[in-house]
Amino acid sequence: SQQGEEDPQALSIQEGENATMNCSYKTSINNLQWYRQNSGRGLVHLILIRSNEREKHSGRLRVTLDTSKKSSSLLITASRAADTASYFCAPGRRNTGNQFYFGTGTSLTVIP
Amino acid sequence: DAGITQSPRHKVTETGTPVTLRCHQTENHRYMYWYRQDPGHGLRLIHYSYGVKDTDKGEVSDGYSVSRSKTEDFLLTLESATSSQTSVYFCAISELAQYGYTFGSGTRLTVV
Repeated sequence: SQQGEEDPQALSIQEGENATMNCSYKTSINNLQWYRQNSGRGLVHLILIRSNEREKHSGRLRVTLDTSKKSSSLLITASRAADTASYFCAPGRRNTGNQFYFGTGTSLTVIP
Repeated sequence: DAGITQSPRHKVTETGTPVTLRCHQTENHRYMYWYRQDPGHGLRLIHYSYGVKDTDKGEVSDGYSVSRSKTEDFLLTLESATSSQTSVYFCAISELAQYGYTFGSGTRLTVV
């Protein structure tokens, strides 16, 4: 399977706390991306980390990648109610169509 | 979402009828994709295109066909709609392998 598997399936935290989501995958990758999906909307690209990178930051987001363990994590610091959404990881391999395979996501609820 | 439009946004159709969903982009991106999203299954890739008239199957292509006669349009056809094809369909575009996808807002299809 080329898709990522997110863990936990659901996460509920208080506003201001940090949220950590994990992604595991089974194949070798060139990069890994994280996406957010608000209810009823399309996915929005958050961040891409390449296979030769171990950590990447974007605002309140921090992504780590451990290729030896075939895993990645997404940390959202100082969460806000607006961060309530589903989060998906997508492992990327070099292939004809630049296609990505998604898992079922982590549903994050931030309680005000 | 800017640069990518899906139509229609909602559709109800009867079992056995053909249905065509349209994805239109103004970004001149090379790659285009159709996904379906169902509870418990996440997003699953139906078909993708890596250029005009260049398409290939994804994970769940049975019962679907696609066409791309112009860079900007990617059509998904359900040849004979079934109730199992009731879903939310998302189109996505991308340019280079190292960049993320831009998703459309989705088409909610109900087959009765």
